[in-house]
Amino acid sequence: KQEVTQIPAALSVPEGENLVLNCSFTDSAIYNLQWFRQDPGKGLTSLLLIQSSQREQTSGRLNASLDKSSGRSTLYIAASQPGDSATYLCAVTLSGSARQLTFGSGTQLTVLP
Amino acid sequence: SAVISQKPSRDICQRGTSLTIQCQVDSQVTMMFWYRQQPGQSLTLIATANQGSEATYESGFVIDKFPISRPNLTFSTLTVSNMSPEDSSIYLCSATQGTHQPQHFGDGTRLSIL
Repeated sequence: KQEVTQIPAALSVPEGENLVLNCSFTDSAIYNLQWFRQDPGKGLTSLLLIQSSQREQTSGRLNASLDKSSGRSTLYIAASQPGDSATYLCAVTLSGSARQLTFGSGTQLTVLP
Repeated sequence: SAVISQKPSRDICQRGTSLTIQCQVDSQVTMMFWYRQQPGQSLTLIATANQGSEATYESGFVIDKFPISRPNLTFSTLTVSNMSPEDSSIYLCSATQGTHQPQHFGDGTRLSIL
């Protein structure tokens, strides 16, 4: 059974810092990996999608990498801002599955002004 | 990207009653899913909503408790039946437009059972 782990569970940084969120998964036979953010009381916003054949994806100040063989992904946030404060979730889709997502438990990020 | 609307956004219900949650997508999608997020937890898949046929349920979830409909490519409903306080959660609908496309989520339905 696929298990997804995110470290750290919570992170607090001053504004302007660059930071890295980590995600690991136990079964490397994934189809893709997706990073989301969830604001309090809200649904999920898709940030980046990495296909299994890709190594990284970038969107603005966000960069996500994928090392499928080692079962790891990182989300790099450059020049963090208070508006980045949210819970960040990674989720994987297993190869051969019906594309349902298996989620990690999330990293709660607080960016202090 | 697909825009997903869920109704209701929140509700407070009495024990033993049932509630139907609606999920509307602004474009045709190939796959729709229902997830549950219990307080302080991450998301757990309830079922895959299959268009024109019975939903595919994950272990621990059954059709009698969580009947799902998907009459077309843009709409699905999830019913939470015979509710108890343990069903208090956020229920989220998601959809994807294709194999290589991201999944998008609605804002969720926050359900509290008294």
